[in-house]
Amino acid sequence: GENVEQHPSTLSVQEGDSAVIKCTYSDSASNYFPWYKQELGKRPQLIIDIRSNVGEKKDQRIAVTLNKTAKHFSLHITETQPEDSAVYFCAGPNRDDKIIFGKGTRLHILP
Amino acid sequence: KAGVTQTPRYLIKTRGQQVTLSCSPISGHRSVSWYQQTPGQGLQFLFEYFSETQRNKGNFPGRFSGRQFSNSRSEMNVSTLELGDSALYLCASRVAVRNEQFFGPGTRLTVL
Repeated sequence: GENVEQHPSTLSVQEGDSAVIKCTYSDSASNYFPWYKQELGKRPQLIIDIRSNVGEKKDQRIAVTLNKTAKHFSLHITETQPEDSAVYFCAGPNRDDKIIFGKGTRLHILP
Repeated sequence: KAGVTQTPRYLIKTRGQQVTLSCSPISGHRSVSWYQQTPGQGLQFLFEYFSETQRNKGNFPGRFSGRQFSNSRSEMNVSTLELGDSALYLCASRVAVRNEQFFGPGTRLTVL
């Protein structure tokens, strides 16, 4: 089947704390896992992606980890800032390279 | 390079009408995908076109159709509009599979 589950649907963290969003997928053929950020009224934009030949990738305050055995991958944002407030989507392609998105996580950074 | 563009940006239609949305990908990108975004369902995949051929299709009724032209521009058509078709329709282009998708600004469709 083709399914990407994303949790939580809403997340509130204090400014400066870390935020973690998790996604699970069902298609074992998936090998490319992007994360998109969508600010209010704007288009989704890629913030980080990982391919199945690595387990972790970092870009400044953002990191993504991948566990292929368990079929899950996570987005980690450290030292959160107000501009991190947005909706975050994970995605995973199925064996036909159809990009399936999770339902999104609305992240609120509290002052 | 210019980004992905979509026209029109806003559209209001009534039930039973049909609508055509347009998407121009980034120059050199041959893949165009279409998504429906609603508050409760997130980003739902409609279809993907690559070099004028439909590569993949989501779980939408046959009222939703699309095509791609030789210059990679794509159109999406929805016939016999229903109230539930009200949504933001996003297109995204990429140079090849397993590569970053770049989204357009979307077309906000309201069906009355």
